[in-house]
Formats: sequence, structure tokens, C-alpha cells
Amino acid sequence: GQNIDQPTEMTATEGAIVQINCTYQTSGFNGLFWYQQHAGEAPTFLSYNVLDGLEEKGRFSSFLSRSKGYSYLLLKELQMKDSASYLCAVKDPSNDYKLSFGAGTTVTVRA
Amino acid sequence: SQTIHQWPATLVQPVGSPLSLECTVEGTSNPNLYWYRQAAGRGLQLLFYSVGIGQISSEVPQNLSASRPQDRQFILSSKKLLLSDSGFYLCAWSGTASYTFGSGTRLTVV
Repeated sequence: GQNIDQPTEMTATEGAIVQINCTYQTSGFNGLFWYQQHAGEAPTFLSYNVLDGLEEKGRFSSFLSRSKGYSYLLLKELQMKDSASYLCAVKDPSNDYKLSFGAGTTVTVRA
Repeated sequence: SQTIHQWPATLVQPVGSPLSLECTVEGTSNPNLYWYRQAAGRGLQLLFYSVGIGQISSEVPQNLSASRPQDRQFILSSKKLLLSDSGFYLCAWSGTASYTFGSGTRLTVV
């Protein structure tokens, strides 16, 4: 089966850094995705990690450790527009390459 | 480049009425296609997926069905909507290192 865990909510101040952790237990692994979803909108792609290490894209970075079944999304220099839900999802080749999603982490950025 | 189109954006339907949501993908061939539902404040639930024309796999038993009449077309249907069918419906397609969502359809059953 697939089990994806991430915190339900996080709050941070504008300009600060927030790290959203995701742990997974899946039958197989073929990549981990992070998505951002604003209220009432579709999820938008942020990052894809298939190898261990850190991937940096501007203010957002994503880290993966396959041996630990662990990933994090790092949001730097937080802006009010970063208030959203962040979804962690794992692609599982033993599950027809479907994505298994965590429940999402709601990040609230305060002034 | 690949694009995914989903319509309509919003829909209000009475209980017992039929449903048809359509999704099309451009710029790729033989994509894997998916229908998800997201209830208010909840996570994404996979409803159906398809790896090819006429091939549909259902993830959860429910009041809905899906069809793939063409390679890049995926349709979500219901013969008689229930109140519990309300939600945000998302179509998605996947490639090797991508998994892209359509803009979604907000369905309210009244």
C-alpha cells in the first residue's frame, strides 16, 4: 500500500523560511512531486525529485532521501501569495505509476 | 508543448440529473489520464485512470463512470447525480517526469 504523511498546518511570517516535511511508505518509488494549490484552484507543479539530494528553483527547494523515505519542501523569503496548500505525492511503479497524495499542508503566511 | 483542457469550470446540477465532464490533452500521444475528486478541505481522491483507449480502471466504487473514446480524450459521467457527488473534479495526465492537472470543474449538486 501507499502511505504519505505531511503536517496538516504550518504558520510563518512574511520573509521567513518554512520547511514542509513529507514521509512516505510505498511499495515502489519512481519519483516524488510537490504541488502548490491555492484555495479553489487546481494544483500546480513545483518540483520533481527522483534522485537523492537538493533541487533548487528560486525561492523553492526540494530535498529527497530515498533510503529514509523522506522529502521536504523549503520555502524561502515567504510572501503572502505563498499562503496555500502544499501537496506531496509519490509515483509508484508497482501501482501502475499512479500518484499517491498526502493530505496536504496548509501554509499560512502572516504579515 | 503539452496542454490539458477541462470543462466546464463550474456546474450546478440537480440531484438525479446526468453528468458529463470532458478532458482533452494536446501535444502528446498515448498519455496516462486520470480523474480525481477533491471534497471541500480534503485531499485528492483518485477516481479513474486510463493507460489507453477503452482501458479504464476504477479506484473506488461509486456513482460515476469514465470513458476514453479517443487517445487524448477522457470523459467522466454519471447517469444520476447524488448530493455526495459535489466536489472539485480534476483531470490529469502523466508523462515520464511530469504529472499535470487541468484547471478543474467545481460541481455542486443541489
